[in-house]
Parts: sequence; C-alpha cells; structure tokens
Amino acid sequence: GAGVSQSPSNKVTEKGKDVELRCDPISGHTALYWYRQSLGQGLEFLIYFQGNSAPDKSGLPSDRFSAERTGGSVSTLTIQRTQQEDSAVYLCASSSGLAGAAEQFFGPGTRLTVL
Amino acid sequence: GQNIDQPTEMTATEGAIVQINCTYQTSGFNGLFWYQQHAGEAPTFLSYNVLDGLEEKGRFSSFLSRSKGYSYLLLKELQMKDSASYLCAVLSYNTDKLIFGTGTRLQVFP
Repeated sequence: GAGVSQSPSNKVTEKGKDVELRCDPISGHTALYWYRQSLGQGLEFLIYFQGNSAPDKSGLPSDRFSAERTGGSVSTLTIQRTQQEDSAVYLCASSSGLAGAAEQFFGPGTRLTVL
Repeated sequence: GQNIDQPTEMTATEGAIVQINCTYQTSGFNGLFWYQQHAGEAPTFLSYNVLDGLEEKGRFSSFLSRSKGYSYLLLKELQMKDSASYLCAVLSYNTDKLIFGTGTRLQVFP
C-alpha cells in the first residue's frame, strides 16, 4: 500500500479481555516498530522487528504484551488480560531499515480504551 | 541511560519565528529526528540531522550540535496550521531504535 495502515482505528474493550491490533507496513520495508502514546505524552517504544532477526522486545511493559510479524510483513500486537492503564493510542511505524535512510513512517494508530 | 528534554508547551503569534529546543543524552548516537504531530493524528517526518550544522527545508530548519547534545527546530513565518506537537527523537546506533522526547505542544495565535 501507499502508507502504513492499522486496524482497528478504535477499540473499546472490557478489563480482562484480550485484544489484537494489526499493522500493515509499507511494502518492502524491513523494519517495523510498535509504540504506545498515552494522552498528552510522547511515544513509548514497545517492540522492533528488523528482517529475520529476533525482535527487540525491550520496551514491552509486561508479559501480557506480545507481538509477532508474519512473513516479514504484517504485524500483530496482542495484549492479554487488558488493564485500564493499557488505554492509549498504539502506533505502528515502518522504515526501509537502510543506514542513513532510517525515516520512520507512521500509521494512523489504534486508539484502545479499556473500561 | 538515555534522556531527551524539550519544553512542554510554547505559544507564538502568526507570522513570527519560534525555536523549539531539544537536549539529549544517549549512547551510540546515529542522528536526530524532528516529527510533527497534529492532535489525533500520526507523527509525520520533518527533518533528520546526523552531522553538526543547520538543515533548511522551506519554513522549517533544524540544527544539531553533537558535542553539546543539543538540537533545535526553527519555524519561520508561522501559520495557524503549525499548531501541533513537535517531537524530538534520537536514533541509537547500537539498537536502531528511536527514543522520543515527550514533545513540545506549540500553539499559534492570530
């Protein structure tokens, strides 16, 4: 596609439920990032995929959070047993991963509300 | 550790010039990015500096001093549509991760 797409755009769920958020990166981009942005805050790094390398999971806040990237393209972020503090906008970004061309292109985000 | 500081909020008048500062402490520096984010929208790329000096792009310029761990974004001839948050982010050479500051919310008044 022309840009990074994410679905759903909005998700309302009840505390304790599991949610899955999807990201379709720009075709050909080898690097994919997930961020979380709480209201009025900056972006918090969650996880980074680069090609076939093992993902950098150092930003995941707890073991309730996991992500996978199938076939080097689409990625899914899963939050298990959601808590109210998980409410935030979840942003996905992709980049070509080439040195010196590391601009990240962001998707529109998924706004997650945990009641 | 890594730390990025920028002012939380700034205001300016239409047609004026505003400078948004960013200081950082990080290991393995591989460049500094500025992103613009309008309320409720995704961040969009503005500039990338990896060498010292000033990069100019239309009404926007970005400056970097690696020795001082300092950057600024300069916006000239401000327009109402420039009201947005401006995010400073540092790319780590070691990890290929962008570390974002909390952003500076700029309000432009007529």
